[in-house]
Amino acid sequence: GAVVSQHPSRVICKSGTSVKIECRSLDFQATTMFWYRQFPKKSLMLMATSNEGSKATYEQGVEKDKFLINHASLTLSTLTVTSAHPEDSSFYICSASPSGRRNEQFFGPGTRLTVL
Amino acid sequence: ELKVEQNPLFLSMQEGKNYTIYCNYSTTSDRLYWYRQDPGKSLESLFVLLSNGAVKQEGRLMASLDTKARLSTLHITAAVHDLSATYFCAVDGPGGGADGLTFGKGTHLIIQP
Repeated sequence: GAVVSQHPSRVICKSGTSVKIECRSLDFQATTMFWYRQFPKKSLMLMATSNEGSKATYEQGVEKDKFLINHASLTLSTLTVTSAHPEDSSFYICSASPSGRRNEQFFGPGTRLTVL
Repeated sequence: ELKVEQNPLFLSMQEGKNYTIYCNYSTTSDRLYWYRQDPGKSLESLFVLLSNGAVKQEGRLMASLDTKARLSTLHITAAVHDLSATYFCAVDGPGGGADGLTFGKGTHLIIQP
């Protein structure tokens, strides 16, 4: 149990295009999901907290108009990188907390984004 | 601002040796987590430490937590090559589990035959 999937696992896109990444909790409901970004050989940095049915909470320095987050259901959160640029190339990892169990986070397999 | 510091950031060691990775954090936190990451992969949960004095062991890895010193350790006993990976510690944000995790920079561990 407690499986989180991400789609796609890898994406290559041209500069200026938008890319949508999906994060799904497969066998539990998640009121809260988190989006992290990891640059090569660096640590994970929390980008935003996604709450089902409400607006996401963004960390300082993360542009909410560039990284659009939608959490329309208890099993799905999406991150859309709008007008992507090469500096947005990174490994994006989501995690999900089961409803009522905020002290647990289950991580997805990650999405590697390369912007040409 | 919550800060999490790990040391060392890079460690090369021989098989069969013991070593400890340290994780310090700057403010009170309810929980401390240890994760393993292999190249190109996501995080694998190793331990969740919930209280002062907590000690957990799994195979050759043992983690402990001292909340008064705001220090956690990950001890490796008789290292084997398969343990080569990057290890991260992380703590809950100020809002507990509602705020996401703050990660240390990671310890890149290489175990040589």
